[in-house]
Amino acid sequence: QKEVEQNSGPLSVPEGAIASLNCTYSDRGSQSFFWYRQYSGKSPELIMSIYSNGDKEDGRFTAQLNKASQYVSLLIRDSQPSDSATYLCAVNGRAGGYNKLIFGAGTRLAVHP
Amino acid sequence: DAGVIQSPRHEVTEMGQEVTLRCKPISGHDYLFWYRQTMMRGLELLIYFNNNVPIDDSGMPEDRFSAKMPNASFSTLKIQPSEPRDSAVYFCASSISGFPTDTQYFGPGTRLTVL
Repeated sequence: QKEVEQNSGPLSVPEGAIASLNCTYSDRGSQSFFWYRQYSGKSPELIMSIYSNGDKEDGRFTAQLNKASQYVSLLIRDSQPSDSATYLCAVNGRAGGYNKLIFGAGTRLAVHP
Repeated sequence: DAGVIQSPRHEVTEMGQEVTLRCKPISGHDYLFWYRQTMMRGLELLIYFNNNVPIDDSGMPEDRFSAKMPNASFSTLKIQPSEPRDSAVYFCASSISGFPTDTQYFGPGTRLTVL
């Protein structure tokens, strides 16, 4: 089992819809969870971080964390074509005393007009 | 303010050659990370430094890889000898603190192709 798992996609949604991206992780000791966005040919950039169970909202983005189910998700409301990118879920992993980020393989999102 | 700077942006070399990738972290950031990204393995942490000292190099794939940070504003990742399977995008990232609650800022990456 991979430490961080994501559906590779592509996830295709129409403009204006809600995009829902999901991630599961294997280590119950993980405490920090991140969503990075990576445009094709570019570097990852942090868009959301979450550390407590529940929802965290920032503009059109909402991160949701459920530690009991080892599940973290990212919702993008009013999706725009400019949101088309690969979204990487990252979790602090056991190796290195939880001071290292473990990345999922990413979910490719395509928002079509 | 300048972000993380990496050079070169693209490197094409032949198998067996030495490759040196360079990184300048954001000023004031005490932590520097080297990652490798491939289609097959995704984004993997190779090594990270705190205050110029290597803290964890368990992700370095083999002895052909080495990394140094001689001062707070410069780090290198060296591959000697290079092999075709080393072809990947190598990212450098920096953060103010190492604990993952702090944001890691990524550089533009170096796309390495080993023929």
